[in-house]
Amino acid sequence: SYVLTQPPSVSVAPGKTARITCGGNNIGSKSVHWYQQKPGQAPVLVIYYDSDRPSGIPERFSGSNSGNTATLTISRVEAGDEADYYCQVWDSSSDHRGVFGTGTKVTVL
Amino acid sequence: QVQLVESGGGVVQPGGSLRLSCAASGFTFSSYGMHWVRQAPGKGLEWVAFIRYDGSNKYYADSVKGRFTISRDNSKNTLYLQMNSLRAEDTAVYYCAKEGIYPMVKYFDYWGQGTLVTVSS
Repeated sequence: SYVLTQPPSVSVAPGKTARITCGGNNIGSKSVHWYQQKPGQAPVLVIYYDSDRPSGIPERFSGSNSGNTATLTISRVEAGDEADYYCQVWDSSSDHRGVFGTGTKVTVL
Repeated sequence: QVQLVESGGGVVQPGGSLRLSCAASGFTFSSYGMHWVRQAPGKGLEWVAFIRYDGSNKYYADSVKGRFTISRDNSKNTLYLQMNSLRAEDTAVYYCAKEGIYPMVKYFDYWGQGTLVTVSS
């Protein structure tokens, strides 16, 4: 089955840039989506189709995907960005299934 | 605005059954695929099941295949998850989620607030 690997944690100072990676075999050939989840809340879509932002998501959030790594970048980090972040793909190579990354806790120092 | 409201969670004994519902509003329910995603306490997200907009295709995670059944009633704008032979490891918050506007790449653009299922004796 397809596996997505994320770093467990990323720490960043306010105003700096956070980069969260999502590793998978030839992930660049798939569409990657990213979700933000704050404690006690449902996940929120922040990036879809590798780099598109839903309406209402700040331009500070951006995404890229190439080779074996997809990356979510949060520029000018704010305290309110502290949350868990998950990458996700749809694996239709063998059986059809959704796959989430292991999740990354972003801490704003 | 899109709203997804789950219900039906609770405490159930191992081997028992439970049916979750997800009431949808604010969009044309019959035009979109729907998913169930779960999250065990303190753990990450796990995709559970998908149903096509017309109910013609259904996919399941290996961990629930043969025990869970996803269905929908487009006349009632409601999504269901029938859960049988429940195990302790099925304990989780269950979210329903709407398919995004690009169905070929399957992502979740709106989520409900979730309903907690606890499997315990």
